[in-house]
Amino acid sequence: DIQMTQSPTSLPASVGDRVTITCRASQIINKYLNWYQQKPGKAPKLLIYGASTLQIGVPSRFSGSVSGTYFTLTISSLQPDDFATYYCQQSHSFPRTFGRGTKVEIK
Amino acid sequence: EVQVAESGGGLVQPGGSLRLSCTASGFTFSSYAMHWVRQAPGRGLEYVSGITRNGGATYYADSVKGRFTVSRDNLKNTLYLQMGSLRPEDVAVYYCVREEYNWAYYFDYWGQGTRVAVSS
Repeated sequence: DIQMTQSPTSLPASVGDRVTITCRASQIINKYLNWYQQKPGKAPKLLIYGASTLQIGVPSRFSGSVSGTYFTLTISSLQPDDFATYYCQQSHSFPRTFGRGTKVEIK
Repeated sequence: EVQVAESGGGLVQPGGSLRLSCTASGFTFSSYAMHWVRQAPGRGLEYVSGITRNGGATYYADSVKGRFTVSRDNLKNTLYLQMGSLRPEDVAVYYCVREEYNWAYYFDYWGQGTRVAVSS
């Protein structure tokens, strides 16, 4: 199975900060990496697919990039609604594995 | 409007069985692969199982292989997860998820989840 290593586990930040979350795949997955946002008690929400394609309706302050097997989710200017947990997920092969999550919390 | 709704969760004894259902609406169910993802209390997301559009192929996490069986009924627009030999570590919220393909695969619609508890 492909292992997804996500960091950091916790990210204290303030409104307006530029936030970066990283995910590394244990093998080549090309651009088949997705990012999800989850708030407490809610189902996850798709933010970005294919490493860098923004899902319809997602604010443009979210962006994704890839360099080799390293993937990055960036929030250019953190907003109050963005405090949540973020997960990466590979869709290159089965089983579709997730990273362990990054909780973006108020500093 | 696309909707997926899980049902069938509940409390079961260790070693017991449970069948989860997921009813889909607002899209052509038979055109999409479907999956189950779970989340244990206070933990992250874990992929459980998936099935192709026509049911011809199924996929499982190692943690449930041999104990869980995924299936679908395209005439009823329903996805199932038959869970057997349940263990305390299977306690979680189980999400039904639609997988879209638009040059890449991704989970675009999630249900609200159904809770499974395992206890004597």
